[in-house]
Amino acid sequence: SQTIHQWPATLVQPVGSPLSLECTVEGTSNPNLYWYRQAAGRGLQLLFYSVGIGQISSEVPQNLSASRPQDRQFILSSKKLLLSDSGFYLCAWSGEGEGDSTEAFFGQGTRLTVV
Amino acid sequence: LAKTTQPISMDSYEGQEVNITCSHNNIATNDYITWYQQFPSQGPRFIIQGYKTKVTNEVASLFIPADRKSSTLSLPRVSLSDTAVYYCLVGGLIKAAGNKLTFGGGTRVLVKP
Repeated sequence: SQTIHQWPATLVQPVGSPLSLECTVEGTSNPNLYWYRQAAGRGLQLLFYSVGIGQISSEVPQNLSASRPQDRQFILSSKKLLLSDSGFYLCAWSGEGEGDSTEAFFGQGTRLTVV
Repeated sequence: LAKTTQPISMDSYEGQEVNITCSHNNIATNDYITWYQQFPSQGPRFIIQGYKTKVTNEVASLFIPADRKSSTLSLPRVSLSDTAVYYCLVGGLIKAAGNKLTFGGGTRVLVKP
């Protein structure tokens, strides 16, 4: 079966520090991968999505970046965090091999607080 | 991607049926309608997907009229644990051309005892 791992669960970082959040998927190949951010009490904002290794589409201009060094690994990074980067970050995958679907599977999320 | 509009919030009581309607006037021929459920501090969870008419699973029913410009998620006999945010998404199949998953604001459903 497929599983998605996202870590860490919580993170407190000072303003100006770097960020690296990692997401890995098991049990599937060539998934579409997504990074979302959710501010408190708000909806999900799509940040990046990837259809393959090295292929990243950015949805919102910001000081964040994403990389996909391996088929099932998706990394969210920042060189210098801002206070406004605080939020709940979610990784997701989609693209089950047996057939097309609009179903996506989400990780448990990382609660980032920039202080 | 077709834009969706759904109520910001709804209140209900245990045992009642909850119906959430989503408007998607610009839905394209190839678009599917998908609903997700999100509990606090968790990622969204897929509930149901449909293209036309009616779809039912063990969790919910999805009603889609012939013109497909709206859809209604029906949750039968809700319990307190159904309190969550429900998102309506409209778009093509995910594997096709790397379709994005764009979530709107969702509907916050509060089930009261």
